[in-house]
Amino acid sequence: RKEVEQDPGPFNVPEGATVAFNCTYSNSASQSFFWYRQDCRKEPKLLMSVYSSGNEDGRFTAQLNRASQYISLLIRDSKLSDSATYLCVVNMLNKAAGNKLTFGGGTRVLVKP
Amino acid sequence: DTGVSQDPRHKITKRGQNVTFRCDPISEHNRLYWYRQTLGQGPEFLTYFQNEAQLEKSRLLSDRFSAERPKGSFSTLEIQRTEQGDSAMYLCASSSRLAGDREQYFGPGTRLTVT
Repeated sequence: RKEVEQDPGPFNVPEGATVAFNCTYSNSASQSFFWYRQDCRKEPKLLMSVYSSGNEDGRFTAQLNRASQYISLLIRDSKLSDSATYLCVVNMLNKAAGNKLTFGGGTRVLVKP
Repeated sequence: DTGVSQDPRHKITKRGQNVTFRCDPISEHNRLYWYRQTLGQGPEFLTYFQNEAQLEKSRLLSDRFSAERPKGSFSTLEIQRTEQGDSAMYLCASSSRLAGDREQYFGPGTRLTVT
């Protein structure tokens, strides 16, 4: 079983619609959670951190459910420029694990006019 | 440009050859990471350095792979006797312990093709 699992998609989303997707993680010792965005053939870039209380950044809302070990991302009022792969990332931030990021396989989102 | 840089951006090599990649992190970042990404997958951790010390290595890093960060600034990743399975994007990232390592900044990657 992979440490971080995501639905690979693609999620085909009409422009202006809302899309949401989750990822699950297996290691309960995970301490930090992030969503990264990766455009085709580009490097990953941090979209947002995910906090226990949930957090919002403009049209993007992230939620964390530690009990069920899943993270979600919701995109409202989708724009064509939101088309990308969204990578779910966890970090254990302890001495034994070092500071490595563990990535999911990514969820591909395609926003269409 | 003060971001993470990597060189070369693309490398095509024949099976059995050795290759070396370079990463220059953001100048004040003391932590440096190498990841590997294959098509359709997320990046996978290979190794990381705090200053010049290599603190963790993934089991993915076979004995054909070696990474160095001799002066705590730039890093090199060498692959000896390349195999077709080594074809991937090799990503370097850096972070600052002083900033709490909240974000790792990635370079543009080196795309390796082994023929």
